[in-house]
Amino acid sequence: QVQMMESGGGVVQSGGSLKLSCVASGFIFSVSGIHWVRQSPGKGLEWLSFIRHDGDDGYAESVNGRCTVSRDDSKSTVFLEIHSLRPEDTAVYFCARDGKSSSLDYWGQGTLVIVSS
Amino acid sequence: QSALTQPASVSGSPGQSITISCTGTSGNIGNYRLVSWYQQHPGKAPKLIIYEVTERPSGVSDRFSGSKSGNTASLTISGLQTGDEAAYYCCSYGGRNTRVFGGGTKLTVL
Repeated sequence: QVQMMESGGGVVQSGGSLKLSCVASGFIFSVSGIHWVRQSPGKGLEWLSFIRHDGDDGYAESVNGRCTVSRDDSKSTVFLEIHSLRPEDTAVYFCARDGKSSSLDYWGQGTLVIVSS
Repeated sequence: QSALTQPASVSGSPGQSITISCTGTSGNIGNYRLVSWYQQHPGKAPKLIIYEVTERPSGVSDRFSGSKSGNTASLTISGLQTGDEAAYYCCSYGGRNTRVFGGGTKLTVL
C-alpha cells in the first residue's frame, strides 16, 4: 500500500535552516510528483511546493526564494529545504503524492517544525 | 496566489444535507476542472474525498459530491453523519506546477 513518511522536523532558531525528508513506498516513485503542504497550529492547509517526476518544480509565493525542493529517486525520497526560518513557519509539514487530475491522493502524518525566536 | 475563499463554518443535523462553497478566480477554479476536496479530522492527515470537481476516489461514500460553476466549486454532503464532523478544504490547480487551498470550513453536526 502507498505510504508517505516525513522526518526532519524539530526546534530551530529563527534565521536558521532545516531540511525535511519524505520517504515514499508502495508505488513507482520515479514517475510520481510529490507535494509539500504545511499547517500552522489551529490554522488551515497551505500548499508550499511541488516537484514533478522530471524534477520540474513550483513554489508558493509565500516561500519562493526561501525553499528548495529536490528528489533522490534511488531512495524514493523528496526533500524540502527551508532557509531564513521565521516564527510564522512553525507548522506541521506534510508531504503528499500527486494523484489523478492534480489532486493530492496520499498523505503522510506530518513532521512538526517549531521556530523559536 | 491568494487562498480560495470558503465559509469558516457550516452546521447541520444528522440526515440533512449541507453545501460548502469555494470561490477562486479565472486563474484557478474558473480555468481548470482540477478542483479537489479534502476532509481532515483533528490531529489527522487530510484525506482526499473529491478530485476533478466531481470524481470520488475508491472507498469514498457517495454521500459526498462536487460541482463547479464559473469561479466557484461546491462540496455537498448528504445524509449527514456524526463522523462527518471535520474540517473540509478545497484545492485547485493554479497553473505552472502550483496548487492553492481554500482557508477551510469546519463542519459541525448538531
